[in-house]
Amino acid sequence: RKEVEQDPGPFNVPEGATVAFNCTYSNSASQSFFWYRQDCRKEPKLLMSVYSSGNEDGRFTAQLNRASQYISLLIRDSKLSDSATYLCVVNADRGSTLGRLYFGRGTQLTVWP
Amino acid sequence: DAGVTQSPTHLIKTRGQQVTLRCSPKSGHDTVSWYQQALGQGPQFIFQYYEEEERQRGNFPDRFSGHQFPNYSSELNVNALLLGDSALYLCASSLRGHVSYNEQFFGPGTRLTVL
Repeated sequence: RKEVEQDPGPFNVPEGATVAFNCTYSNSASQSFFWYRQDCRKEPKLLMSVYSSGNEDGRFTAQLNRASQYISLLIRDSKLSDSATYLCVVNADRGSTLGRLYFGRGTQLTVWP
Repeated sequence: DAGVTQSPTHLIKTRGQQVTLRCSPKSGHDTVSWYQQALGQGPQFIFQYYEEEERQRGNFPDRFSGHQFPNYSSELNVNALLLGDSALYLCASSLRGHVSYNEQFFGPGTRLTVL
C-alpha cells in the first residue's frame, strides 16, 4: 500500500468554480502534512502546510482528519492561474523517517475560461 | 535570498554510464534531500544529507550515492545507468531543528534522459 494516495484526476473546471482534492495517508504516526503545487516541468512549491484541524489561506482551505487519515484541499473561485498539479505530502516525524517527505502522485487541475 | 540551485538542467546519457548531479541549498539551510520524479508520478525520496553524512535512505539501490560538502552543497551520483533512471531529479533543502524543518524547498531539478 502506498504511503499517500491521491486521485490523479484530471479535474477540468471553469473559472470561478470551487474544486476539492482529497488524499489519504497510511502511516498513523505522520505528524506534518502539506499541499505542494507543481507546474508543468517545474519543481514542486509549497502551497500550504496543514496542521491540527487545518487552515485557510485566501481562496485555499486545507483540512486534516487524523482519525480517518484524510487530507483535503478546497479551492474557491478558481483562477486560470490555478491550473497545475497538486501534490499531497506527508512527513512521519518520528524515528528514522525524520525529514523524509512522502508524496502522492498528484492531482491535475485545469481551469478553463 | 538565493534559492535552491541545481546543475545541470538537462542531461542525456547512455545505459551503463555514470552521472553526477549537483545542488546548492537555499541560503541558511543545512540539510539536503534528493528525490526522483518519474513522469506522471510524485517525487520519491532517495536520501538525505546532514552534517556531511547520509541520514536517511529511501528504497533505491546502491548505484545511487551521494555526498555533502562542508558548505552544505550536495552531489548525487548514479552508476551503471538504466533506462528506468530517466526522470526529473529534485534537490530539496531545509534547516534541521527549525520549527519549519519539515518544510522543504525544492530546486528546479535536473532532467536526466538515459538512452
